[in-house]
Amino acid sequence: DSGVTQTPKHLITATGQRVTLRCSPRSGDLSVYWYQQSLDQGLQFLIQYYNGEERAKGNILERFSAQQFPDLHSELNLSSLELGDSALYFCASSVVARANYGYTFGSGTRLTVV
Amino acid sequence: GQNIDQPTEMTATEGAIVQINCTYQTSGFNGLFWYQQHAGEAPTFLSYNVLDGLEEKGRFSSFLSRSKGYSYLLLKELQMKDSASYLCAVTGSNYQLIWGAGTKLIIKP
Repeated sequence: DSGVTQTPKHLITATGQRVTLRCSPRSGDLSVYWYQQSLDQGLQFLIQYYNGEERAKGNILERFSAQQFPDLHSELNLSSLELGDSALYFCASSVVARANYGYTFGSGTRLTVV
Repeated sequence: GQNIDQPTEMTATEGAIVQINCTYQTSGFNGLFWYQQHAGEAPTFLSYNVLDGLEEKGRFSSFLSRSKGYSYLLLKELQMKDSASYLCAVTGSNYQLIWGAGTKLIIKP
């Protein structure tokens, strides 16, 4: 157990729907990162939050949004889902905002859009 | 632009040694990571290099040359469980991680 908790582990939903993925960072970590990984593809950085504030944005679609709450857990909202959104979504956390301290990844949420 | 290159796939034999190369071009450099990722699982940390040279950790070693924009991960005494993807990632000047696409390592008996 890495200490980063992601729920749910699996999610199957229909096109056009909206889902929310949840991440609880490791105790003491202030920074949360969201990544998307499609089948046999590399990690695509979506967005980073640090202590409740958006810190960096990657290739995140306008249909996707995220936030980090005062208790530091984070949610990634995916709306108007398309077949191509099917992927593994990873959350990672770190103590500080700077990535050179490394990340700890959660076990991921596998999203299947049918 | 910023770019990280790794071979897409490599094959090696159980008990042998394999070297996975990573070359990078980034605006600024604040460290290089290697992660291991088994299929369908989360990436796990293997090594971190910020200074030139070799870092050894058990069967795994990682090397960095900042002047050449080059790193490699060396895996010795390969075991079947080492079959996985190996991801190279560089921390750029803005302290964000830039990820390579990963190298899928196949171990054959």
